[in-house]
Amino acid sequence: DIQMTQSPSSLSASVGDRVTITCRTSEAISRSLNWYQQKPGEAPKLLIYAASSLQSGVPSRFSGSGSGTDFTLTISSLQPEDFATYYCQQSYGAPRFTFGPGTKVDIK
Amino acid sequence: QVQLVQSGAEVKMPGSSVKVSCQSSGGTLSSHSINWVRQAPGQGLEWMGRIIPVLGTPILAHKFLGRVTITAFDSTGTAYMDLSNLRSDDTAVYYCATEVLMSFGVITLNHWGQGTLVTVSS
Repeated sequence: DIQMTQSPSSLSASVGDRVTITCRTSEAISRSLNWYQQKPGEAPKLLIYAASSLQSGVPSRFSGSGSGTDFTLTISSLQPEDFATYYCQQSYGAPRFTFGPGTKVDIK
Repeated sequence: QVQLVQSGAEVKMPGSSVKVSCQSSGGTLSSHSINWVRQAPGQGLEWMGRIIPVLGTPILAHKFLGRVTITAFDSTGTAYMDLSNLRSDDTAVYYCATEVLMSFGVITLNHWGQGTLVTVSS
């Protein structure tokens, strides 16, 4: 099975900061990498698919990049509503999927 | 508005089974593949398995083989996840989510249920 790591596991940031989260996979997955945002008590929400494509309705301050084994989610200017936990997920290993362990973004 | 509505919270004894339902409404999700994902308290997301209607056979994460049964949406638009031989570490929120095949051939989980808390306790 494809293993996934994320770094950092948590970070503290201020409104307006640029935030970068990294996801790494145990084998190359081309661009089959998605990013989700989850707020406490809510279901996850798709932000980015295919490594860099913005899901409809998601603010443009979110962006993704990468291919192969290394991927990045960037929030260009952190807003109050962005404090949440972010997960990467691979679908290259279909039929089985995997989530990364998550990165919690909280207020400094 | 497409929605997935899950059954309510459950409290179960160790060794017993739980069946969580996921009903689609407001759209045509019933032909979509459905995934189940769980989240233990304070922990991350754990993919459990999925079922592709045209194939009919569930695909499970290796750790759940032999303990989880997943069914596709039936004629009422309801899908089910059955977890047997419950242990205390099965205490979690269980989510259903439907797949969408996006550009570049990438599968995403676009629509999610609200989650069902299953508590395993004696």
